[in-house]
Amino acid sequence: DAKTTQPPSMDCAEGRAANLPCNHSTISGNEYVYWYRQIHSQGPQYIIHGLKNNETNEMASLIITEDRKSSTLILPHATLRDTAVYYCIVRVTGNQFYFGTGTSLTVIP
Amino acid sequence: EAGVAQSPRYKIIEKRQSVAFWCNPISGHATLYWYQQILGQGPKLLIQFQNNGVVDDSQLPKDRFSAERLKGVDSTLKIQPAKLEDSAVYLCASSPRPGTNEKLFFGSGTQLSVL
Repeated sequence: DAKTTQPPSMDCAEGRAANLPCNHSTISGNEYVYWYRQIHSQGPQYIIHGLKNNETNEMASLIITEDRKSSTLILPHATLRDTAVYYCIVRVTGNQFYFGTGTSLTVIP
Repeated sequence: EAGVAQSPRYKIIEKRQSVAFWCNPISGHATLYWYQQILGQGPKLLIQFQNNGVVDDSQLPKDRFSAERLKGVDSTLKIQPAKLEDSAVYLCASSPRPGTNEKLFFGSGTQLSVL
């Protein structure tokens, strides 16, 4: 079962930063937080992951709180192509990835 | 690098019929996953293979669903007999090997409609 909770939907103005929150209060010490996104009719696409340190790559930044009970995915300058469903996932021991219901992000022109 | 290949892309069957989906993971990837995604929901893990052995099939409805991974490469997922509630997109994913930087790479999925 999914160990994460996300808001069902969010809007963001084009060009602004999109901040997507995720709660994972039952996460264990060795479990990673992953973010994927899914554009309609496609398979989910990897964005970023982390354990306890903040991470940044060419797509996004991941901020994990010190107690690791929540995280935020930041898309620094949202574009219309970033409209998608974003999934926050905890990778459990055994390497299973359990998806929740995700956040539907709409980028508004 | 070639991605995860799945076929067919679409399938329409009547209830009580049988159906099979095929997945070819990225070359060299040891772990293979099948997910079921019902419209409006997140993907649900059905089964996980490590090479040709099953790691987790706790959410696979074993009375009608079966899966195999021959020689630790390609995999097939079968439904027999299908029910209306099996209408969904079936996603295959693969990953190189367990580790700190393991990522899932997904195929485009097979959209199944059961009438």
